[in-house]
Amino acid sequence: DGGITQSPKYLFRKEGQNVTLSCEQNLNHDAMYWYRQDPGQGLRLIYYSQIVNDFQKGDIAEGYSVSREKKESFPLTVTSAQKNPTAFYLCASALGWGRGFTEAFFGQGTRLTVV
Amino acid sequence: GENVEQHPSTLSVQEGDSAVIKCTYSDSASNYFPWYKQELGKRPQLIIDIRSNVGEKKDQRIAVTLNKTAKHFSLHITETQPEDSAVYFCAASSRNAGGTSYGKLTFGQGTILTVHP
Repeated sequence: DGGITQSPKYLFRKEGQNVTLSCEQNLNHDAMYWYRQDPGQGLRLIYYSQIVNDFQKGDIAEGYSVSREKKESFPLTVTSAQKNPTAFYLCASALGWGRGFTEAFFGQGTRLTVV
Repeated sequence: GENVEQHPSTLSVQEGDSAVIKCTYSDSASNYFPWYKQELGKRPQLIIDIRSNVGEKKDQRIAVTLNKTAKHFSLHITETQPEDSAVYFCAASSRNAGGTSYGKLTFGQGTILTVHP
């Protein structure tokens, strides 16, 4: 189903806790992205990676961290420093700039709620 | 870094009418401009894209135009149908904040399109 999988679909976190969202792809894509979607604000870029062991901050990276140890995986950690973490998180992957940037495929998303 | 502005935020049309959504971008090095459609509760999916060496691209009822000089691009949907109702996002692929690498994909704020039967 699209080759990019996010888990879990729903996640609840207590205030002050860190939580990690999973994103896995089997499309052999170099580039991976994390976006946050809030009502009326579109898709805001948190972090992106063009290659293994390298990643770049997006527009709203504060309070988030990522790793890219494997080509297939790009987990996102929402830390306790993120003041308003309740949102819908979308992961995406694409071939990557060096291979002719083309369509980005999205996962089904993770809805994170702080309780 | 890249800034993508999208207008209007909401658009309501009658079935059969045309719909136009406009976006502007700030990074002159941006060279790939996709449009995504997101239906309620679903993931965004690509509907059409255009590269900077092309001025216009069509796919059945959907077309995209690009004006590199003015740094804006538009989505045109003709003969709209109720199933076109969704949120539409434009995006631009650009450089990172330091200008040292490419592949940053920045999205606009989205347009809620409603097509009334």
